Amino acid sequence: DTEVTQTPKHLVMGMTNKKSLKCEQHMGHRAMYWYKQKAKKPPELMFVYSYEKLSINESVPSRFSPECPNSSLLNLHLHALQPEDSALYLCASSQPSGRLYNEQFFGPGTRLTVL
Amino acid sequence: TQLLEQSPQFLSIQEGENLTVYCNSSSVFSSLQWYRQEPGEGPVLLVTVVTGGEVKKLKRLTFQFGDARKDSSLHITAAQPGDTGLYLCAGVFLSGNYQLIWGAGTKLIIKP
Repeated sequence: DTEVTQTPKHLVMGMTNKKSLKCEQHMGHRAMYWYKQKAKKPPELMFVYSYEKLSINESVPSRFSPECPNSSLLNLHLHALQPEDSALYLCASSQPSGRLYNEQFFGPGTRLTVL
Repeated sequence: TQLLEQSPQFLSIQEGENLTVYCNSSSVFSSLQWYRQEPGEGPVLLVTVVTGGEVKKLKRLTFQFGDARKDSSLHITAAQPGDTGLYLCAGVFLSGNYQLIWGAGTKLIIKP
């Protein structure tokens, strides 16, 4: 299985809502990533987990809270988001971040709209 | 700051034409990847280049890595409408933190 899955595909939420994005991979990868992507722009790194531990937080606001329950799952908990947080949220996985290749495999993304 | 410049940012050509996309930096890459992304989907890894001077082919796509490992190019021969998409290069810098640094992307439209 060489697939990264993400749910939901689309999400619309109000600024007071709490929601979660989910990501799953079964490739045996031990590094997982959350990216945010605005239209016509490259992905922006948010968080990196390596061996289920948070290794990089790119100064992301606390209204985004990542969680890695096990080596196959990655969640992103959302609370009190702003309209400017509307974007495509991408999950990716790779072999652990120490390797120089860092070939990342992406899920299809969650299109988030904050009203 | 390690930057990765990708050009052109937008390209619209007729079916059957050839094109080249460039990715350049002043720093050395340990590896560089090319991805293709369609609207509303995640990027799909096309190729990874590692060795200076390396050339890899994927059907009508040819990827080159510069001898000094500071630049790369993607050449498409006889472009097809199915090649339409956003092409992204992303590199791991030799002196970086092993994370991908992304180019700005090239929006490619192939008109039938």
